[in-house]
Amino acid sequence: RKEVEQDPGPFNVPEGATVAFNCTYSNSASQSFFWYRQDCRKEPKLLMSVYSSGNEDGRFTAQLNRASQYISLLIRDSKLSDSATYLCVVNSNNNDMRFGAGTRLTVKP
Amino acid sequence: NAGVTQTPKFRILKIGQSMTLQCTQDMNHNYMYWYRQDPGMGLKLIYYSVGAGITDKGEVPNGYNVSRSTTEDFPLRLELAAPSQTSVYFCASSFLGETQYFGPGTRLLVL
Repeated sequence: RKEVEQDPGPFNVPEGATVAFNCTYSNSASQSFFWYRQDCRKEPKLLMSVYSSGNEDGRFTAQLNRASQYISLLIRDSKLSDSATYLCVVNSNNNDMRFGAGTRLTVKP
Repeated sequence: NAGVTQTPKFRILKIGQSMTLQCTQDMNHNYMYWYRQDPGMGLKLIYYSVGAGITDKGEVPNGYNVSRSTTEDFPLRLELAAPSQTSVYFCASSFLGETQYFGPGTRLLVL
C-alpha cells in the first residue's frame, strides 16, 4: 500500500462547479498535512496547510480525519486558473515528507 | 529575495557520467531537501538536511550524494549516471521543517 494515495483523476469540471479531492495516508504517526498545487512543468507551491479542526482559505476548504487517516480538499466556484495538479503531502515526525502522486484538475469554460 | 534557485535547468548525461546539481536559497532556512519526480508520480525524497554539516537519507538515496557546508547551498551529486536517474529534480527549503519552498527544478535525461 502506498504511503499517500490520491485519486489521479483527471477531474474535468465546468467553471463555477464545486469539486472535492480525497487523500488517504498509511502512517498513523503522521504529524502535519498539506495541500500543494503544481502547474504543468512547474514546481509545487503550498496551497494550504491542513489543521485538525479543518480550515478554509477563500474558496478552498481542507479537512483532516485522523481516525480514518483521510484528508480532503474542497474547491468551490471553480475558476479556469484552478486547473493544475493538487498534491497531498504528509509529514511524519522525522521530517520525512511523503507526497501523493497528485490529482489533476481541469476547469473548462 | 530570489528564493530557491537551481542550476542547470536541463542537462543530458551519458551513462556513467557524473554531475552536480546546484541548489541555493537566500531565505536563511535551516532545512533543505532534494526530491525527484518521475512522470505521473509524486515527489520522492532523496536526501535532506536540517542544518549545515548535517544530512540524512530520504526514501530513495541510492546513486546520490549530498553535502551541506553552508546554510545556503545544498548540492546533489550523481556519481555514475544511469537511465533510471532520468527525472525532474526539485530542491526545496523550509524553516523548521514545515512549509517547503521549491526551486524551479532541473530536468535530467540520461542516455
